[in-house]
Amino acid sequence: DTEVTQTPKHLVMGMTNKKSLKCEQHMGHRAMYWYKQKAKKPPELMFVYSYEKLSINESVPSRFSPECPNSSLLNLHLHALQPEDSALYLCASSQDQRDRPEKLFFGSGTQLSVL
Amino acid sequence: DAKTTQPPSMDCAEGRAANLPCNHSTISGNEYVYWYRQIHSQGPQYIIHGLKNNETNEMASLIITEDRKSSTLILPHATLRDTAVYYCIVDGGGSYIPTFGRGTSLIVHP
Repeated sequence: DTEVTQTPKHLVMGMTNKKSLKCEQHMGHRAMYWYKQKAKKPPELMFVYSYEKLSINESVPSRFSPECPNSSLLNLHLHALQPEDSALYLCASSQDQRDRPEKLFFGSGTQLSVL
Repeated sequence: DAKTTQPPSMDCAEGRAANLPCNHSTISGNEYVYWYRQIHSQGPQYIIHGLKNNETNEMASLIITEDRKSSTLILPHATLRDTAVYYCIVDGGGSYIPTFGRGTSLIVHP
């Protein structure tokens, strides 16, 4: 199984809603990532979890709250989002070999629209 | 910040080789060059990586110049399914976490 599964594929939410994006992998990877991608732009790193601990937060607003319940799961909790947060949210995972180059495996993303 | 420069777009005839260039003139001695691609509406897909030597796998070949300031990704027999945005990435200061630049939009035409 070399897949990273993201749910839902599409999400529409209002600015007062609370929702969560989910990501799952069963490759035994110990690093998991959230990226945000606006239309026609490259993906931008948001968060990195290494061995279930948050290791990188790229100055992301607190309305985005990541969670890594175990090594296979990664969530992104959303609250009080703005229309400009509408984007494709990508999850990725890697082995986390610490001192060797990593291959990242990406999911297909969740297309989020904030109304 | 992305440390690479790529042409914004290229096209290639189906069945021909696609050669995608990348400049990374400020690359450090211990930094790797990675290539990913992103087909429309999908997540990026890892293609290949290298340090100094040329590399080949089932998807592509990577040619790195001797001074390591540039590289070329070669898709030997491009198909329509290779139409995608191709990202050349130099790992960020040893963190090995991809920082994506704008990439090259490759269109393979019949």
